[in-house]
Amino acid sequence: QQQVKQSPQSLIVQKGGISIINCAYENTAFDYFPWYQQFPGKGPALLIAIRPDVSEKKEGRFTISFNKSAKQFSLHIMDSQPGDSATYFCAASIRSNDYKLSFGAGTTVTVRA
Amino acid sequence: DAGVTQSPTHLIKTRGQQVTLRCSPKSGHDTVSWYQQALGQGPQFIFQYYEEEERQRGNFPDRFSGHQFPNYSSELNVNALLLGDSALYLCASNQGPGRPDTQYFGPGTRLTVL
Repeated sequence: QQQVKQSPQSLIVQKGGISIINCAYENTAFDYFPWYQQFPGKGPALLIAIRPDVSEKKEGRFTISFNKSAKQFSLHIMDSQPGDSATYFCAASIRSNDYKLSFGAGTTVTVRA
Repeated sequence: DAGVTQSPTHLIKTRGQQVTLRCSPKSGHDTVSWYQQALGQGPQFIFQYYEEEERQRGNFPDRFSGHQFPNYSSELNVNALLLGDSALYLCASNQGPGRPDTQYFGPGTRLTVL
Protein backbone atom coordinates (compact mmCIF):
# COMPACT_ATOMS: atom_id res chain seq x y z
CA GLN A 1 0.00 0.00 0.00
CA GLN A 2 1.65 3.15 -1.25
CA GLN A 3 1.20 5.98 1.22
CA VAL A 4 2.34 8.68 -1.19
CA LYS A 5 1.04 8.83 -4.75
CA GLN A 6 3.15 10.69 -7.32
CA SER A 7 2.36 11.90 -10.80
CA PRO A 8 3.19 12.05 -13.63
CA GLN A 9 5.37 8.99 -14.14
CA SER A 10 7.49 10.94 -16.62
CA LEU A 11 7.58 14.33 -18.27
CA ILE A 12 9.51 16.11 -20.99
CA VAL A 13 10.14 19.85 -20.81
CA GLN A 14 12.04 22.27 -23.00
CA LYS A 15 15.08 24.07 -21.64
CA GLY A 16 13.90 27.13 -19.77
CA GLY A 17 10.47 25.67 -19.12
CA ILE A 18 8.74 24.74 -15.88
CA SER A 19 8.53 21.15 -14.61
CA ILE A 20 5.70 20.35 -12.20
CA ILE A 21 5.45 17.13 -10.21
CA ASN A 22 2.53 16.38 -7.91
CA CYS A 23 2.14 14.18 -4.85
CA ALA A 24 -0.80 13.26 -2.68
CA TYR A 25 -0.95 11.57 0.70
CA GLU A 26 -3.61 10.16 3.02
CA ASN A 27 -1.95 10.00 6.43
CA THR A 28 -2.57 13.34 8.15
CA ALA A 29 0.12 12.50 10.71
CA PHE A 30 2.83 13.16 8.14
CA ASP A 31 4.75 16.26 9.18
CA TYR A 32 7.82 16.35 6.95
CA PHE A 33 7.74 16.32 3.15
CA PRO A 34 11.08 16.13 1.32
CA TRP A 35 11.88 15.86 -2.36
CA TYR A 36 14.81 13.85 -3.66
CA GLN A 37 16.69 13.93 -6.96
CA GLN A 38 18.28 10.75 -8.26
CA PHE A 39 20.65 10.39 -11.19
CA PRO A 40 21.31 7.00 -12.80
CA GLY A 41 23.74 4.94 -10.74
CA LYS A 42 23.50 7.27 -7.75
CA GLY A 43 21.58 7.35 -4.53
CA PRO A 44 18.80 9.90 -4.01
CA ALA A 45 19.94 13.37 -2.91
CA LEU A 46 17.83 15.60 -0.69
CA LEU A 47 16.71 18.57 -2.77
CA ILE A 48 14.28 20.55 -0.67
CA ALA A 49 11.82 19.83 2.13
CA ILE A 50 8.76 21.45 3.71
CA ARG A 51 6.77 21.12 6.90
CA PRO A 52 2.96 21.53 6.96
CA ASP A 53 3.04 24.86 8.80
CA VAL A 54 4.08 26.68 5.60
CA SER A 55 2.43 26.69 2.17
CA GLU A 56 5.48 27.34 0.03
CA LYS A 57 9.24 27.02 0.18
CA LYS A 58 11.68 28.16 -2.45
CA GLU A 59 15.34 27.28 -2.86
CA GLY A 60 16.90 28.61 -6.02
CA ARG A 61 14.96 27.28 -8.99
CA PHE A 62 13.11 24.70 -6.89
CA THR A 63 9.82 25.47 -5.14
CA ILE A 64 7.56 23.26 -3.04
CA SER A 65 3.88 24.19 -2.83
CA PHE A 66 1.94 22.56 0.00
CA ASN A 67 -1.84 22.31 0.35
CA LYS A 68 -2.63 20.82 3.75
CA SER A 69 -6.42 20.70 3.30
CA ALA A 70 -6.10 18.85 -0.01
CA LYS A 71 -3.28 16.66 1.33
CA GLN A 72 -1.21 17.47 -1.73
CA PHE A 73 2.20 18.95 -2.40
CA SER A 74 4.12 19.67 -5.55
CA LEU A 75 7.59 20.46 -6.83
CA HIS A 76 8.12 23.18 -9.39
CA ILE A 77 11.41 23.36 -11.24
CA MET A 78 11.74 26.78 -12.82
CA ASP A 79 13.97 27.54 -15.82
CA SER A 80 14.61 23.82 -16.31
CA GLN A 81 18.10 22.92 -17.50
CA PRO A 82 19.45 19.76 -19.18
CA GLY A 83 21.36 19.04 -15.95
CA ASP A 84 18.01 18.75 -14.16
CA SER A 85 17.23 15.60 -16.14
CA ALA A 86 16.83 13.00 -13.40
CA THR A 87 14.25 11.04 -11.46
CA TYR A 88 12.50 12.97 -8.71
CA PHE A 89 10.86 11.38 -5.69
CA CYS A 90 8.51 12.94 -3.22
CA ALA A 91 8.39 11.47 0.27
CA ALA A 92 6.63 11.92 3.57
CA SER A 93 7.50 11.05 7.14
CA ILE A 94 6.49 11.52 10.75
CA ARG A 95 8.69 12.96 13.49
CA SER A 96 7.43 10.42 16.04
CA ASN A 97 8.52 7.60 13.71
CA ASP A 98 12.04 9.02 13.50
CA TYR A 99 11.23 10.34 10.04
CA LYS A 100 11.25 6.96 8.31
CA LEU A 101 10.43 7.89 4.74
CA SER A 102 7.52 6.76 2.58
CA PHE A 103 8.46 7.49 -1.02
CA GLY A 104 6.38 8.10 -4.09
CA ALA A 105 7.04 6.00 -7.20
CA GLY A 106 9.13 8.69 -8.88
CA THR A 107 8.94 10.99 -11.89
CA THR A 108 11.52 10.89 -14.65
CA VAL A 109 12.15 14.40 -15.94
CA THR A 110 13.82 14.94 -19.29
CA VAL A 111 14.88 18.47 -20.22
CA ARG A 112 15.37 18.96 -23.97
CA ALA A 113 17.96 21.50 -25.05
CA ASP B 1 34.58 13.73 3.20
CA ALA B 2 33.71 10.53 1.32
CA GLY B 3 30.03 10.79 2.17
CA VAL B 4 28.10 7.56 2.67
CA THR B 5 29.97 4.57 1.29
CA GLN B 6 28.54 1.16 0.54
CA SER B 7 30.11 -2.15 -0.41
CA PRO B 8 30.06 -4.08 -2.56
CA THR B 9 28.84 -2.11 -5.56
CA HIS B 10 27.31 -5.12 -7.27
CA LEU B 11 26.53 -8.62 -6.08
CA ILE B 12 25.10 -11.71 -7.75
CA LYS B 13 23.65 -14.49 -5.62
CA THR B 14 21.43 -17.51 -6.17
CA ARG B 15 18.12 -18.27 -4.52
CA GLY B 16 18.43 -19.54 -0.97
CA GLN B 17 21.80 -17.98 -0.34
CA GLN B 18 22.58 -15.36 2.27
CA VAL B 19 24.08 -11.90 1.67
CA THR B 20 25.68 -9.17 3.77
CA LEU B 21 25.83 -5.57 2.62
CA ARG B 22 27.90 -2.93 4.33
CA CYS B 23 27.56 0.80 4.91
CA SER B 24 29.80 3.49 6.35
CA PRO B 25 27.94 6.67 7.27
CA LYS B 26 29.04 10.18 6.47
CA SER B 27 31.52 11.61 8.94
CA GLY B 28 29.68 13.02 11.95
CA HIS B 29 26.55 10.93 11.36
CA ASP B 30 25.39 8.37 13.90
CA THR B 31 22.08 7.13 12.44
CA VAL B 32 21.84 4.68 9.57
CA SER B 33 18.76 3.64 7.59
CA TRP B 34 18.44 1.00 4.90
CA TYR B 35 16.09 1.12 1.90
CA GLN B 36 15.26 -1.30 -0.90
CA GLN B 37 14.67 0.20 -4.33
CA ALA B 38 13.22 -2.11 -6.96
CA LEU B 39 13.78 -1.14 -10.60
CA GLY B 40 11.58 1.79 -11.56
CA GLN B 41 10.19 2.21 -8.04
CA GLY B 42 10.71 4.49 -5.09
CA PRO B 43 12.83 3.29 -2.17
CA GLN B 44 11.10 1.22 0.53
CA PHE B 45 12.20 1.64 4.15
CA ILE B 46 13.68 -1.50 5.70
CA PHE B 47 14.97 -0.36 9.11
CA GLN B 48 16.89 2.30 10.99
CA TYR B 49 19.73 1.96 13.50
CA TYR B 50 20.82 4.40 16.17
CA GLU B 51 23.05 3.72 19.18
CA GLU B 52 23.50 0.16 17.88
CA GLU B 53 19.79 -0.58 18.20
CA GLU B 54 17.04 -1.00 15.63
CA ARG B 55 14.67 1.90 16.24
CA GLN B 56 12.26 1.63 13.33
CA ARG B 57 11.35 -1.19 10.98
CA GLY B 58 9.43 -1.23 7.74
CA ASN B 59 7.25 -3.97 6.31
CA PHE B 60 9.98 -6.52 5.63
CA PRO B 61 10.18 -10.14 6.80
CA ASP B 62 12.57 -11.38 9.45
CA ARG B 63 14.87 -12.63 6.68
CA PHE B 64 16.10 -9.04 6.66
CA SER B 65 18.25 -8.22 9.65
CA GLY B 66 20.85 -5.67 10.47
CA HIS B 67 23.48 -4.48 12.83
CA GLN B 68 25.17 -1.24 13.77
CA PHE B 69 28.70 -1.16 15.11
CA PRO B 70 30.23 1.20 17.69
CA ASN B 71 31.83 3.21 14.86
CA TYR B 72 28.27 3.76 13.47
CA SER B 73 28.84 1.61 10.39
CA SER B 74 26.12 -0.87 9.60
CA GLU B 75 25.40 -4.18 7.92
CA LEU B 76 22.27 -5.46 6.23
CA ASN B 77 21.85 -9.24 6.13
CA VAL B 78 19.33 -11.04 3.97
CA ASN B 79 18.80 -14.78 4.44
CA ALA B 80 17.15 -17.32 2.16
CA LEU B 81 17.29 -15.02 -0.85
CA LEU B 82 14.31 -14.88 -3.19
CA LEU B 83 14.22 -13.68 -6.77
CA GLY B 84 12.13 -10.75 -5.57
CA ASP B 85 14.99 -9.54 -3.38
CA SER B 86 16.78 -8.34 -6.52
CA ALA B 87 17.02 -4.58 -6.07
CA LEU B 88 19.26 -1.63 -5.30
CA TYR B 89 19.90 -1.48 -1.57
CA LEU B 90 20.47 2.03 -0.32
CA CYS B 91 22.00 3.15 2.93
CA ALA B 92 21.33 6.62 4.31
CA SER B 93 22.85 8.37 7.30
CA ASN B 94 21.77 11.30 9.47
CA GLN B 95 23.06 13.34 12.38
CA GLY B 96 20.57 11.65 14.70
CA PRO B 97 17.06 10.24 14.11
CA GLY B 98 15.50 13.66 14.55
CA ARG B 99 17.56 15.34 11.83
CA PRO B 100 16.08 14.33 8.46
CA ASP B 101 17.50 17.55 6.99
CA THR B 102 20.99 16.09 7.35
CA GLN B 103 20.25 12.87 5.49
CA TYR B 104 22.63 11.60 2.82
CA PHE B 105 22.19 8.47 0.73
CA GLY B 106 24.97 6.24 -0.49
CA PRO B 107 25.20 5.04 -4.11
CA GLY B 108 23.70 1.68 -3.22
CA THR B 109 24.52 -1.98 -3.71
CA ARG B 110 22.91 -3.63 -6.72
CA LEU B 111 21.86 -7.16 -5.70
CA THR B 112 20.85 -9.65 -8.37
CA VAL B 113 19.33 -12.96 -7.28
CA LEU B 114 19.34 -15.71 -9.91
